[in-house]
Amino acid sequence: AQKVTQAQTEISVVEKEDVTLDCVYETRDTTYYLFWYKQPPSGELVFLIRRNSFDEQNEISGRYSWNFQKSTSSFNFTITASQVVDSAVYFCALSDPNTGTASKLTFGTGTRLQVTL
Amino acid sequence: SAVISQKPSRDICQRGTSLTIQCQVDSQVTMMFWYRQQPGQSLTLIATANQGSEATYESGFVIDKFPISRPNLTFSTLTVSNMSPEDSSIYLCSVARAVPAYEQYFGPGTRLTVT
Repeated sequence: AQKVTQAQTEISVVEKEDVTLDCVYETRDTTYYLFWYKQPPSGELVFLIRRNSFDEQNEISGRYSWNFQKSTSSFNFTITASQVVDSAVYFCALSDPNTGTASKLTFGTGTRLQVTL
Repeated sequence: SAVISQKPSRDICQRGTSLTIQCQVDSQVTMMFWYRQQPGQSLTLIATANQGSEATYESGFVIDKFPISRPNLTFSTLTVSNMSPEDSSIYLCSVARAVPAYEQYFGPGTRLTVT
């Protein structure tokens, strides 16, 4: 069975600090996708990134960066120079490729990030 | 991405009643899913809405409690039947296209409170 673990329930940082959100996953599949979503207080889930299991290159998008390490089954998310608008719950998710061209997702329990001034 | 709308955005319902939630997408999509997010919890998949056929339910969810329709490639409904306070949750619709595969986008959610 697939599993996603986000061990950090809540993180508080002061604005401009860097913060890393951890994600560890379990799967027996060799082909899979990993995702990060942001859920601000409004409740909507915002797609941030998708990575496939064959691409271990790290990715950077503005202040966001992702570190995918297959050897440790981790897909960590770093926010550089955090801002108050980054305050949200962040979910890591893992796809189930057995459903064909698009997949159902297994979500972690989420990490609540609080950025204060 | 896709523009997804859900109706209603929130509702307060009495126990024993039913509520139908609508999900509308601005363009045709391959897959549509329904998730539940209980207060302070993560998201759990309820079912995959299949166009023109019965939905595929996940373990712990049944059609009698959560009937789903998907009459075309841009619209789906989820009904929460015979509600109890335990059904108080956010219900989210998500969609995915064949290309790029595996990218799912979520609607704004429906906040349901059952009293």
